[in-house]
Amino acid sequence: GAGVSQSPRYKVAKRGQDVALRCDPISGHVSLFWYQQALGQGPEFLTYFQNEAQLDKSGLPSDRFFAERPEGSVSTLKIQRTQQEDSAVYLCASSLAGNSNQPQHFGDGTRLSIL
Amino acid sequence: DQQVKQNSPSLSVQEGRISILNCDYTNSMFDYFLWYKKYPAEGPTFLISISSIKDKNEDGRFTVFLNKSAKHLSLHIVPSQPGDSAVYFCAAGDDKIIFGKGTRLHILP
Repeated sequence: GAGVSQSPRYKVAKRGQDVALRCDPISGHVSLFWYQQALGQGPEFLTYFQNEAQLDKSGLPSDRFFAERPEGSVSTLKIQRTQQEDSAVYLCASSLAGNSNQPQHFGDGTRLSIL
Repeated sequence: DQQVKQNSPSLSVQEGRISILNCDYTNSMFDYFLWYKKYPAEGPTFLISISSIKDKNEDGRFTVFLNKSAKHLSLHIVPSQPGDSAVYFCAAGDDKIIFGKGTRLHILP
């Protein structure tokens, strides 16, 4: 389809393992966003890319979280040495332009469970 | 401190009637406001948006109202349909969007 695609849909990892979550944005979308959504909460901002440039990473909870978008398209969110509190749904969104007043379009998310 | 607040965790409305979902925000610099709808196990789906230069935007059954002086926006759905049952998120910001915690809407037959 033409929407934002995230993989895997579900990921189970043992505490201490590293995980990598992938996001394929809508083709041609300049901006890409990562969010973390805990149960019963709204999505919380993690980081934002405009093309390959990471313009804002203020929402990343710790230095164990790292995101990249090397060619300005696909993005990967990596979490090192996972902890139980990292369990959440990780949502990726993309929007057409880098300026404001453009709606973000979301993927279905990756549900991460840390045992 | 929450910058975007949806004070009603849930709302039940009879099919065919009007659903009104409310949202308050604290940052007067926010210039773009959106509503998203979310079904279980799916990502949020964009519904409707409004910029700060307007006070109303309409798209079919959905209308968003913005009251900048009160820092309040609302989403009206009329008439409400069974497929409208979902969680609705209000969001506000500029380049970075802040989401509320959501309101679960139940449309009753």
